[in-house]
Amino acid sequence: QLVLTQSPSASASLGASVKLACTLSSGHSTYTVAWHQQQPEKGPRFLMKLNNDGSHNKGDGIPDRFSGSSSGAERYLTISSLQSEDEADYYCQTWGTGVLVFGPGTKVTVL
Amino acid sequence: DVQLVQSGAEVKEPGESLKISCKGFGYTFSIYWIAWVRQMPGKGLEWMGSIYPEDSDTRYSPSFQGQVTISGDKSITTAYLQWSSLKASDTAKYYCVRPERSGDLFGVFAVWGQGTMVSVSP
Repeated sequence: QLVLTQSPSASASLGASVKLACTLSSGHSTYTVAWHQQQPEKGPRFLMKLNNDGSHNKGDGIPDRFSGSSSGAERYLTISSLQSEDEADYYCQTWGTGVLVFGPGTKVTVL
Repeated sequence: DVQLVQSGAEVKEPGESLKISCKGFGYTFSIYWIAWVRQMPGKGLEWMGSIYPEDSDTRYSPSFQGQVTISGDKSITTAYLQWSSLKASDTAKYYCVRPERSGDLFGVFAVWGQGTMVSVSP
C-alpha cells in the first residue's frame, strides 16, 4: 500500500535551516513526490517536484532557499534562511496506479 | 497566467443539495484532468476524485465514491463538485487542482484553486 509518512512538527530559529522528511512506504522507494506549502488560512501552493535521484523542479516564484534532496525512500525539503512567512504546513504528495496520496503534513514553526 | 478560480463559500443545512465550481483560465482546459481535494477543519488533504473535461471521464477515490458527483463543462472551462444531500461531516474546505502535465490523471499537482469553504449545520 502506498503511504507517505511525515513528522507532525518541526521548528527552527529565524534565519536558520530546517530539513523536512517524507518517507515512502516499502516497495515504493523510487517514486517521485511533490512538496506543497500551506500558510495559515491559505490554500496549498506547489513548491517542487522531487525525483528519486534528488533532481527537482520548483514552481514559479519559489525562492532559492527552498531545495530538495533524496536518499533511498526519503524525500527531503530543506528551507534555508528561514523567514517568518515560512511558518506553514508542508505536505508531500505522490501517486500510483489508481491512487493519489498526501502525507499527513509537517507543521513548521519559526522561533 | 494559469489559474483555477473557485466559487464562493457556502452555508447549508443537512439534507440540502449543493454544487460548487472551479473555472480554469490561461490554458487548454479540456486536456488537463481536474481533481477535487478535501480538507476538513484542522486536518490534512484528501483526494476525492478527478475529471477529464475533454470526454468527462471521471475517477473517484473509494472513500468518496457514491458520496459526491464530479462533472464538467468544457465549453465554459468549468468543473463541478456536487452533493445531493449534505451532512454535517461534509463541512470542509474543498480545493480543485490541476496536474503539471496534460493528459496525466495524477502526477504533480501544480495549480491549486483558492478553495471553497462549505459549512453544513442545522
